[in-house]
Amino acid sequence: AQKITQTQPGMFVQEKEAVTLDCTYDTSDPSYGLFWYKQPSSGEMIFLIYQGSYDQQNATEGRYSLNFQKARKSANLVISASQLGDSAMYFCAMRDFAAGNKLTFGGGTRVLVKP
Amino acid sequence: DAMVIQNPRYQVTQFGKPVTLSCSQTLNHNVMYWYQQKSSQAPKLLFHYYDKDFNNEADTPDNFQSRRPNTSFCFLDIRSPGLGDAAMYLCATSTRGGQETQYFGPGTRLLVL
Repeated sequence: AQKITQTQPGMFVQEKEAVTLDCTYDTSDPSYGLFWYKQPSSGEMIFLIYQGSYDQQNATEGRYSLNFQKARKSANLVISASQLGDSAMYFCAMRDFAAGNKLTFGGGTRVLVKP
Repeated sequence: DAMVIQNPRYQVTQFGKPVTLSCSQTLNHNVMYWYQQKSSQAPKLLFHYYDKDFNNEADTPDNFQSRRPNTSFCFLDIRSPGLGDAAMYLCATSTRGGQETQYFGPGTRLLVL
């Protein structure tokens, strides 16, 4: 079974609007971390935001916030006030002890911001 | 700025000709990773070093080798590149313990002719 699922292969968003990228995960480990990375066409994986499984509050980093719903095993990324430079591939990833603390990536969501 | 550096950014090699990709870091992280990413796919972990301890993924082909001569540098050697090895190769680093965020370099895009 897939451990990290991103159900949206691609999506369009209007500039200045908010967009939500879905991510669901599966683990039996009570201690895990969830990450979002951005990968523009240049190829570099840019770390955006982190949520620990024991964190009580949703993580936020500037225009990025993570909607963490532990019981539903979801960790959706919200990008507010989209900019043209947000056009990229976005990957959700999980680190858990069961996987030897390695990162498991979802399949990614490609976002295109329209002017 | 502390960072992860990969050289070269683009590498063209011939079928069967050995090639080495390099990664260096100024973050002083003790863990270094090598990923292979093919077009429109997620990165796939090849192996990682925890300090000097080498950890190979079970499905990494023998054609791929790695060296870590010191904390700062890590190399990926492809002994006999095939056409299927054309991909983006990403290096990442992290600490052990705590959040363990992996920080990636800009990648090396390998083309095999």
